[in-house]
Amino acid sequence: QLQLQESGPGLVKPSETLSLTCTVSGGSISSSSYYWGWIRQPPGKGLEWIGSIYYSGSTYYNPSLKSRVTISVDTSKNQFSLKLSSVTAADTAVYYCARVSRTLAAAGPFPFDYWGQGTLVTVSS
Amino acid sequence: SYELTQPPSVSVSPGQTARITCSGDALPKQYAYWYQQKPGQAPVLVIYKDSERPSGIPERFSGSSSGTTVTLTISGVQAEDEADYYCQSADSSGTSYVFGTGTKVTVL
Repeated sequence: QLQLQESGPGLVKPSETLSLTCTVSGGSISSSSYYWGWIRQPPGKGLEWIGSIYYSGSTYYNPSLKSRVTISVDTSKNQFSLKLSSVTAADTAVYYCARVSRTLAAAGPFPFDYWGQGTLVTVSS
Repeated sequence: SYELTQPPSVSVSPGQTARITCSGDALPKQYAYWYQQKPGQAPVLVIYKDSERPSGIPERFSGSSSGTTVTLTISGVQAEDEADYYCQSADSSGTSYVFGTGTKVTVL
């Protein structure tokens, strides 16, 4: 059974960089059938797509966050990571990593079929 | 930026039918997906490719599409269906993903 687990600091100071890692177990991150993505959800609010990455390193970012976001992949560790720079209180949210399945549609967009449990990141001094 | 619009809330009695709409200009060209999210939990995919149901999802969940609107229908609503529901799709490029505004389903 595929599992995704987010890890990283739960508290980040304003203007600093938020860094999270998602560890994938029970499957290979190098499969051509999947992308890997980050989604966030501020407390009491809706879901926001942050970006996605393919095992080759190809990335797609939310235009509203693109200038501050970097997503990378480490196939040797079966992990992918998120960096969000210059954070403010508005970046306080539960951050989810998820698998994007290319097997459920012939062409994009594709769905997020497996999700991590999420990790709360608070931006505060 | 591209947006998908959902009603904030839908209320339904047990055994009745709940319908949740999601509207967006690119929906005639892009697949839509639906997720169920219960408090404190990660979202769960309940409909993919507009109207397909993943294995393990009850048959009472169905999806449909018409023009710029997609609809999630829950037939014979049960108390356990009380949750937030989100649609997901992409803009006209197909590579910039977006989630709908979310709908809270309350079972009376």
